[in-house]
Amino acid sequence: EDQVTQSPEALRLQEGESSSLNCSYTVSGLRGLFWYRQDPGKGPEFLFTLYSAGEEKEKERLKATLTKKESFLHITAPKPEDSATYLCASHFGNEKLTFGTGTRLTIIP
Amino acid sequence: GAVVSQHPSWVICKSGTSVKIECRSLDFQATTMFWYRQFPKQSLMLMATSNEGSKATYEQGVEKDKFLINHASLTLSTLTVTSAHPEDSSFYICSASGLSSETQYFGPGTRLLVL
Repeated sequence: EDQVTQSPEALRLQEGESSSLNCSYTVSGLRGLFWYRQDPGKGPEFLFTLYSAGEEKEKERLKATLTKKESFLHITAPKPEDSATYLCASHFGNEKLTFGTGTRLTIIP
Repeated sequence: GAVVSQHPSWVICKSGTSVKIECRSLDFQATTMFWYRQFPKQSLMLMATSNEGSKATYEQGVEKDKFLINHASLTLSTLTVTSAHPEDSSFYICSASGLSSETQYFGPGTRLLVL
């Protein structure tokens, strides 16, 4: 069964304190690894898609990387507005996304 | 680009009534649309997948007669919660993907409260 596991469940950082969020997935024909940001009471906002091991993508303070078994979302010098739940999801070629449970990130001013 | 809207953003209804939620892709043609349900502090639970002009495919445990999905065009899908009960209260989110991409773009969600 396709599974996606995110860690940690919650992370509190001081403003400017860099860190990484982890997303591990079962290896069974991954067609894409997706990262989304979700603010409370809103739908997920698309951030990145990664397709192959070694691929990296960046957007402002966020950088997503992919290996054969996991993906990392690195956040550099975060600001309070980066506080949100970050979701990763895997796509195994059957149209559906398998979501992890998310990492709730809080940036303290 | 890739904007998805939902209407209404929130709805309160009495038990036993039906509620329709619309999902529209505003700037692309959505060959596939998805409906999710999300409970507080939990991740998204896929309810069904629909392709334009075809019957929706429901996930195991989702009652197709209760959650009616119609994907009549490449820009519009609707979810109707029939004979709603308090346990149907939840946050419903749709997403859409186009022909050339597997990326799903999500709507802002609809919060349903059944009294």
